[in-house]
Amino acid sequence: DAKTTQPTSMDCAEGRAANLPCNHSTISGNEYVYWYRQIHSQGPQYIIHGLKNNETNEMASLIITEDRKSSTLILPHATLRDTAVYYCIVGEGNDMRFGAGTRLTVKP
Amino acid sequence: GAVVSQHPSRVICKSGTSVKIECRSLDFQATTMFWYRQFPKQSLMLMATSNEGSKATYEQGVEKDKFLINHASLTLSTLTVTSAHPEDSSFYICSATRANTEAFFGQGTRLTVV
Repeated sequence: DAKTTQPTSMDCAEGRAANLPCNHSTISGNEYVYWYRQIHSQGPQYIIHGLKNNETNEMASLIITEDRKSSTLILPHATLRDTAVYYCIVGEGNDMRFGAGTRLTVKP
Repeated sequence: GAVVSQHPSRVICKSGTSVKIECRSLDFQATTMFWYRQFPKQSLMLMATSNEGSKATYEQGVEKDKFLINHASLTLSTLTVTSAHPEDSSFYICSATRANTEAFFGQGTRLTVV
């Protein structure tokens, strides 16, 4: 029973920014927004997480709206190796409950 | 990020036998470990939560007598699939966390029951 809504699939051109949206309108005050990705036949890889403020690390940026009801994961310069299923998860940490995610395909 | 190692990465077993999968947090002490199952073209489904030294908490619909979980130390949890059948064939994934932080996942174990 995931608390998030994501588009089923997206395409992105190699070298361009990939912007992956996520709706989480029922998020509560102490829940974080986490992003993971899963490349075929591997375990999920942690990308980034945030509570209220926008966050950036070496992999991506996370933009959270002021009302916290939605967020966007940004991969600034997508490469072919970024092709994966991206999962947006809200929670207090610990157990991550996965929705269907967004299948991002980066095309040459 | 932290490293979680799962072993084996792939196993084939005969129907009716049991299979043990290990999950280790290599560079941190995990207060909690989780076990997931993933069928082809589906998302990860949480099976159970285990805390070191206590009994695992199973999600609704997951048979605790079939999927035995042992979390004997802060760095090791094991999942034993007992009396495996072909319908248990799946991708099993563990994750580990420190207290209320992001979870780190193992590389997964592909179980095939023949």
